[in-house]
Amino acid sequence: EIVLTQSPGTLSLSPGERATLSCRASQSVNSIFLAWYQQKPGQAPRLLIYGASSRATGIPDRFSGSGSGTDFTLTISRLEPEDLAVYYCHQYGTSPRTFGQGTKVEIK
Amino acid sequence: QVQLQQSGPGLMKPSQTLSLTCAISGDSVSTDSATWNWIRQSPSRGLEWLGRTYYRSKWYFDYAVSVKSRMTIIPDISKNQFSLQLNSVTPEDTAVYYCARGLGNLLNWFDPWGQGTLVTVSS
Repeated sequence: EIVLTQSPGTLSLSPGERATLSCRASQSVNSIFLAWYQQKPGQAPRLLIYGASSRATGIPDRFSGSGSGTDFTLTISRLEPEDLAVYYCHQYGTSPRTFGQGTKVEIK
Repeated sequence: QVQLQQSGPGLMKPSQTLSLTCAISGDSVSTDSATWNWIRQSPSRGLEWLGRTYYRSKWYFDYAVSVKSRMTIIPDISKNQFSLQLNSVTPEDTAVYYCARGLGNLLNWFDPWGQGTLVTVSS
């Protein structure tokens, strides 16, 4: 099983700042099989990024994904108050599909 | 716009059978370009994919090893929905359960997700 480890556990930043979230895999992941989701309090997860770097429909361009192999990054270029959420990475190229444990983004 | 609407009970007793339904609007359960998935989320296990069904000239079913012996997914073309049945539930099955559409052929990301159903298993 591929274990996805996300860091940091919590990120506390001010509006307008840049957020960099990391997802490290225990073995290599084909980048076309890496996704990121946003989960706001009390809501279901929402797809942000698939294929490591493709934005889902309706996702603002301040969200971007990058990476390959075992290291992937979600960047929020300019934080907005509504970005308060937990962010999860997900690999779907190797069975079983697995998720990271999440990074919580707090807005100062 | 695809929407998934979940329904089903939230409180179960140990050994009972959990049944949840996911009604699809804006897509078809029998489409050959998506899969239909169940995922759960708990503090102890995080997000855990449970299983899926999809139609490619016939129906296919995949289940996670952890629930394979207890879980069944049932597609219903007439109602455009799919259901989860999980037998012999225990307190470890307490979680928020989500249905989700899988895209990207058979190696899927999930979009969209249903609203979630909190299922509590307690005597």
